[in-house]
Parts: sequence; C-alpha cells; structure tokens
Amino acid sequence: GAVVSQHPSRVICKSGTSVKIECRSLDFQATTMFWYRQFPKQSLMLMATSNEGSKATYEQGVEKDKFLINHASLTLSTLTVTSAHPEDSSFYICSAREGGGAHNEQFFGPGTRLTVL
Amino acid sequence: AQSVTQLGSHVSVSEGALVLLRCNYSSSVPPYLFWYVQYPNQGLQLLLKYTSAATLVKGINGFEAEFKKSETSFHLTKPSAHMSDAAEYFCAVSGYSSASKIIFGSGTRLSIRP
Repeated sequence: GAVVSQHPSRVICKSGTSVKIECRSLDFQATTMFWYRQFPKQSLMLMATSNEGSKATYEQGVEKDKFLINHASLTLSTLTVTSAHPEDSSFYICSAREGGGAHNEQFFGPGTRLTVL
Repeated sequence: AQSVTQLGSHVSVSEGALVLLRCNYSSSVPPYLFWYVQYPNQGLQLLLKYTSAATLVKGINGFEAEFKKSETSFHLTKPSAHMSDAAEYFCAVSGYSSASKIIFGSGTRLSIRP
C-alpha cells in the first residue's frame, strides 16, 4: 500500500512552546488529509480534515487557533500545536486519502508522540 | 450519525485458537466498515474493509470478517492465532460520500497466550 510518513516520531517540549508535526504522502497525491489524536489506551479521535489548498474543517471541541493545520501541497500537511500545555501530550496520527471518495483508502502515518513538560 | 461498538476491551486467546473480535455498527446510511490493527507506538494498518460487495471479506494475515446486516455486525475472525497477532484492533465505519469521516470504535486489545 501507499506510504505516509510523519516527522518527528516523538517530540518533547516545554509548556508554552509551539510544535510542528509534518505528514507526508510519499508515493501518491493526497487530496484529503486527516489529523487524529489518541490518548493512552483509547481510540483515535478525529481532530480535523484538510483538503489541499483550502482551510481545514475542525471537529467540534477542537480549537482551531490552537491546532493550526496547513495543507499547502498534495503531499504535505502540517499540524502546529501552539502554546502547548501538558494536557496536549498525546499521540498524533495523520492519514491521507488519494481521491475524494470515501471508498478510497485512508493510509495512516506512524504517529508522533508529543510530550509537553 | 454513525458509530461502532466493540464488545470487550481485552481478549485473550491461546496460540492456535480461534480469534473472534466483535463489532456492531450503527448507521443511518449504507456503511463502509473497516478493521484496523495497531502495534505499540505505531499508526494503523488496514486489515480489511467492506464496501457493499461480498459480505464475507478476506483481509491480510489470515483475518476475515462477515457483514451481517440483520445483526448490524462485522465481527473479525482468524482460525488460528499467532503470537504476532497480539495488538490493538479497531473497528471503524464511514459513509459513502466524499465528506464521510471514519469513526473508530474504542478498540480491543488482543493478547495471545503461548
């Protein structure tokens, strides 16, 4: 299957700093990318959906000013956690879908472990 | 609205035994259904998906699932468990439209006893 990469794989930062996570589709063009967060021993919760060249659509309860998403190209989306706090510590996973239809498979990245001290 | 319910947060089976992970779905529209596997500190890998073709879906690593509309179920099975099957398994549902999102269940951790 297609490959989605995330960078960094893990990051530790101080409270109040901003952290950027990159999500890349390596061998296909991703029309749509999704960002999830996963707390320990819990399921994935969708944070936002981004389509290349347009603003991201955030799920209810997700602060768009805190979690900035940019999908500037068909192979790259970034998630910036601004003014991070310890409660933002989580496992962040992105996925990418090549076509616009739901029948197109979503390919998941390996995840980024964020720890905010 | 769509949702999935995974019965049992933890399932333990002996190596070589049948694996059965249960999933029931709720959907107001014909669903797409998925099973994903997640190994520790990794992303998700698609095991199999149902997209309204055959009701019995065969996936990777010897897993299969059967879509039963009358029971609103999509249980995952494997005839003989292997130690390498130990992981977290997520059932998920989405609709058909391009705006549909994948909604994940709470997950079932599968342990394999030697």
